[in-house]
Amino acid sequence: AQKITQTQPGMFVQEKEAVTLDCTYDTSDQSYGLFWYKQPSSGEMIFLIYQGSYDEQNATEGRYSLNFQKARKSANLVISASQLGDSAMYFCAMTFNYGQNFVFGPGTRLSVLP
Amino acid sequence: SQTIHQWPATLVQPVGSPLSLECTVEGTSNPNLYWYRQAAGRGLQLLFYSVGIGQISSEVPQNLSASRPQDRQFILSSKKLLLSDSGFYLCAWNQGVSQETQYFGPGTRLLVL
Repeated sequence: AQKITQTQPGMFVQEKEAVTLDCTYDTSDQSYGLFWYKQPSSGEMIFLIYQGSYDEQNATEGRYSLNFQKARKSANLVISASQLGDSAMYFCAMTFNYGQNFVFGPGTRLSVLP
Repeated sequence: SQTIHQWPATLVQPVGSPLSLECTVEGTSNPNLYWYRQAAGRGLQLLFYSVGIGQISSEVPQNLSASRPQDRQFILSSKKLLLSDSGFYLCAWNQGVSQETQYFGPGTRLLVL
């Protein structure tokens, strides 16, 4: 069965520094997608970045990059130059069932300190 | 552009009362639609998904049900709410293309007393 693990329930980072949020996954599928979402206190889920299992290069979107290590089944999110507005819950997710369904990890709460 | 709406935004209901949460998507046709529940401080649990009108798949057996009466409308219902139904309910959509991102609505906070 598909499973996402996020081992860091909470993380602190100083403003303007970089931070890495860990995500490991378990699947027997060869084709899958990996996603990161941000959930601020308002509750909305904001899509950040996507990595396909066959993508050879790590995905990047502005200050977000995904460190994809397929053999280790990890898809860590790197946020560069942290801002106070980055404080939120961050969820790693993956698709399964031919992309119809998602499974989410338990999340990591990131707090950016001034 | 596509937008997704959910209402109500907040709901307080007594145990045993019925429930109806609505989700609608604009700006697209034949979307895949999803209902998730998020307990306080937890991750998302997929409840139902639909690939078309009248087509509902249930992921978790419980006292909730879902219906899709129109292409872009997805409804989450219960005949009798339980205390354990409290949580944050999120609706999401995508176009059903393999490995496609899901886009979420603003959510409904449900408190069952």
